Amino acid sequence: QKEVEQDPGPLSVPEGAIVSLNCTYSNSAFQYFMWYRQYSRKGPELLMYTYSSGNKEDGRFTAQVDKSSKYISLFIRDSQPSDSATYLCAMRPTSGTYKYIFGTGTRLKVLA
Amino acid sequence: EPEVTQTPSHQVTQMGQEVILRCVPISNHLYFYWYRQILGQKVEFLVSFYNNEISEKSEIFDDQFSVERPDGSNFTLKIRSTKLEDSAMYFCASSELQGGGRWETQYFGPGTRLLVL
Repeated sequence: QKEVEQDPGPLSVPEGAIVSLNCTYSNSAFQYFMWYRQYSRKGPELLMYTYSSGNKEDGRFTAQVDKSSKYISLFIRDSQPSDSATYLCAMRPTSGTYKYIFGTGTRLKVLA
Repeated sequence: EPEVTQTPSHQVTQMGQEVILRCVPISNHLYFYWYRQILGQKVEFLVSFYNNEISEKSEIFDDQFSVERPDGSNFTLKIRSTKLEDSAMYFCASSELQGGGRWETQYFGPGTRLLVL
């Protein structure tokens, strides 16, 4: 079983739709969860950072962590064509390492 | 807004040659990282660096790789004798601190695309 799994997509949605992006993980020690956005041939750009379980909102973005299910989500409200990118989840455990473990990324296309 | 910068943006080299990839981390950040992303694959950790020492490295980071902070602003990754399989996008990242909290989040540069022929 892979440490972090993410549906590669592509996920195509119409402009204005609510987008749900998800990752599952196997290591119950993961406590820090990040979402990055990566435009084609560019570096990952940090969107959200969450610790442990719960929700966090920032503008049109909401990050959700369900540690009991080992499942994290990123919701994008009122999606825009400029949101078209690859979305990467990343995570790390509480201790022992500071390296981020990334998912493979989900490619999102928001159609105008 | 402060950002991580990397040079060059693209590098083409012959197999067996040495390459040096350069990064300027965010100025008040203390922890520096290199990751790589082979085309179509996930971003993978290579090494982290703090206080002029490697603090953590992955199994990918073997003897052909080295890192250095030659001055107060640059952070470099050297690949001594490049192989075809080293072709990838190399990302530098930096964080203010480690240990949890918002200040440990890693900010990534735009990457250097390395092609080994």
